[in-house]
Amino acid sequence: GAGVSQSPSNKVTEKGKDVELRCDPISGHTALYWYRQRLGQGLEFLIYFQGNSAPDKSGLPSDRFSAERTGESVSTLTIQRTQQEDSAVYLCASSQDYRTYNEQFFGPGTRLTVL
Amino acid sequence: SQQGEEDPQALSIQEGENATMNCSYKTSINNLQWYRQNSGRGLVHLILIRSNEREKHSGRLRVTLDTSKKSSSLLITASRAADTASYFCATDLSGNTPLVFGKGTRLSVIA
Repeated sequence: GAGVSQSPSNKVTEKGKDVELRCDPISGHTALYWYRQRLGQGLEFLIYFQGNSAPDKSGLPSDRFSAERTGESVSTLTIQRTQQEDSAVYLCASSQDYRTYNEQFFGPGTRLTVL
Repeated sequence: SQQGEEDPQALSIQEGENATMNCSYKTSINNLQWYRQNSGRGLVHLILIRSNEREKHSGRLRVTLDTSKKSSSLLITASRAADTASYFCATDLSGNTPLVFGKGTRLSVIA
C-alpha cells in the first residue's frame, strides 16, 4: 500500500472489555512503532519492533497492554480489561529501519473510547 | 519527563505572518526532527536536522539547532490558513532508541 494503515479508525468499548488494534506498515519497513496520544497531549511511546529482534516494550504502561508483529508485516496492539484512562488515539508508525535519522511514517490512528 | 518541550503551547497568527516555534531538550542528541499533525491524527515528517548542522531550509520552513543551548526552532514564513496544525519536535538519545516527542505547539493561522 501507499502508506501506513490502521484499523479500526474508531473504537468504542465498555470498561473491562478487550480490544485489538491493527497496523499495516509500509511494505519493506523493518521498524514499527506504537504510540498513544491523549487529548491535547504529545505522543507517548509504547512499543517498537525492529525486524526479528526482540521488541522494545519499555513504554507499555501495564501488563494489560501487549503487541505482536508477524515478521515485517502487520502488527496488533491488544489492550485487555480496558479502563477509561485507556481512552486515547493510538498511532502506529513505520520506518525503513531502526536508525533514528529515518523518517517515521504515521498511520491515521485509531481513536479508542472506553465508556 | 519529556525529552523535548515545545514553546509556546499555542500560537495564533494572521495569514502572511511568520510563525516561530521552539523546542528545548535535556540531553545530547544525534538528530532532531519536526513533525506536523492535523486534527489529532497521523503525524507527517517535515524536516530533520543533525547535531552537526545549525540550520536547514525546506520551502517555507527554516529549522535551526543550537546544541549548546539544547534548543531548536521551527520558522514558517508567510503562513497560510492551511498551516494550521500541531507541530512536534522529536529527539533521539542515540541511534538505537525510539524518538521522543514533545507535547507540541498548536498553531492557528487566521485568514
